[in-house]
Amino acid sequence: AQTVTQSQPEMSVQEAETVTLSCTYDTSESDYYLFWYKQPPSRQMILVIRQEAYKQQNATENRFSVNFQKAAKSFSLKISDSQLGDAAMYFCAYRTLGYQLIWGAGTKLIIKP
Amino acid sequence: DSGVTQTPKHLITATGQRVTLRCSPRSGDLSVYWYQQSLDQGLQFLIQYYNGEERAKGNILERFSAQQFPDLHSELNLSSLELGDSALYFCASSPRSWGTSSDTQYFGPGTRLTVL
Repeated sequence: AQTVTQSQPEMSVQEAETVTLSCTYDTSESDYYLFWYKQPPSRQMILVIRQEAYKQQNATENRFSVNFQKAAKSFSLKISDSQLGDAAMYFCAYRTLGYQLIWGAGTKLIIKP
Repeated sequence: DSGVTQTPKHLITATGQRVTLRCSPRSGDLSVYWYQQSLDQGLQFLIQYYNGEERAKGNILERFSAQQFPDLHSELNLSSLELGDSALYFCASSPRSWGTSSDTQYFGPGTRLTVL
């Protein structure tokens, strides 16, 4: 069975600095998708970025980028130029072709002004 | 706004009762997923429907059931409620149920269930 591990329960960063959130996963599948979702205090689940496993190029969405290391089964999220609005819980999620998302426990990101 | 709607936003009920949570997917999406998020925890997958048919089951209790209707909205029924069922219940939708570039799940705002 697939598992997703986020080893950092909480991270803090100074506003305008860069922070990296870690995620590792375990799977025997070769084709899958990985996601980062953000959950602000409103509890809404918001998609941040998506990575297809067959793509070697790391995904990027504005200030958000990933470092996808397929052999190491690692999928970290880098947030550049951190803003106060980035404060939230960040969840890493794994999806096989066709079925449900398997979630990490989350990392609480604190932005210091 | 993801385009996924869920009602009600909040629900307070007593142990032993039964409730129904409703979800309307984004226009055009055929797949609906239900997730449970207990306090300060990650999400647990409950069940998936695709175009009216059950597609996959996760950690869903026998006291819980769901269905997807011809208009593609879905309902999650929770019965014989216990204190431990208090949680945030999310519905998500996606266009299809198998892997394509457009298989991202978009989440509704959730229904917060409190069992007293």
